[in-house]
Amino acid sequence: ETGVTQTPRHLVMGMTNKKSLKCEQHLGHNAMYWYKQSAKKPLELMFVYNFKEQTENNSVPSRFSPECPNSSHLFLHLHTLQPEDSALYLCASSRGTVTEAFFGQGTRLTVV
Amino acid sequence: SQQGEEDPQALSIQEGENATMNCSYKTSINNLQWYRQNSGRGLVHLILIRSNEREKHSGRLRVTLDTSKKSSSLLITASRAADTASYFCATDAERDDKIIFGKGTRLHILP
Repeated sequence: ETGVTQTPRHLVMGMTNKKSLKCEQHLGHNAMYWYKQSAKKPLELMFVYNFKEQTENNSVPSRFSPECPNSSHLFLHLHTLQPEDSALYLCASSRGTVTEAFFGQGTRLTVV
Repeated sequence: SQQGEEDPQALSIQEGENATMNCSYKTSINNLQWYRQNSGRGLVHLILIRSNEREKHSGRLRVTLDTSKKSSSLLITASRAADTASYFCATDAERDDKIIFGKGTRLHILP
């Protein structure tokens, strides 16, 4: 247990659906991240929030929309996804933006 | 852009043997980290080594850093079946405030 909780653990959605992934940490960390992990590809950094402000958007398509209402919660809103968006989505948090990161267990997303 | 790159991509060794994985990176860094990931789960932080450090130990783990060669190695001694996992290095570029992960090394410990 790392202290970072992601829900749901598994999600199957159609291309026309709208869903949200949730990440929660009570470690007192200021930075939170979304990563995408696809088979045989490097872990891709999607978004970085530092003190609730988005500091990084790594050319992510607009069908992925992050939200950070406070420093303990991070959401990833999904709409009109494509099958190639199927992947493991990992949330992480850290004290600063370049220190040890604590990861959640991930959400396995399948787009059908 | 990819910063760290692990080598080999996959490694199978007998239980009890030592496992060595390497990581090369491209730009100057502040620190380098190693993480482990069990299949389909989140990453777990193993060790962080700063750019002014050359070697660090944690239990059966030994990490070295050679900034002149822009490379690091992770040595796991006396491997166990539970060490079977993917191992990633992560670096932060000196003038950047984010960490970038490599593709990882898949380590399989044979009984």
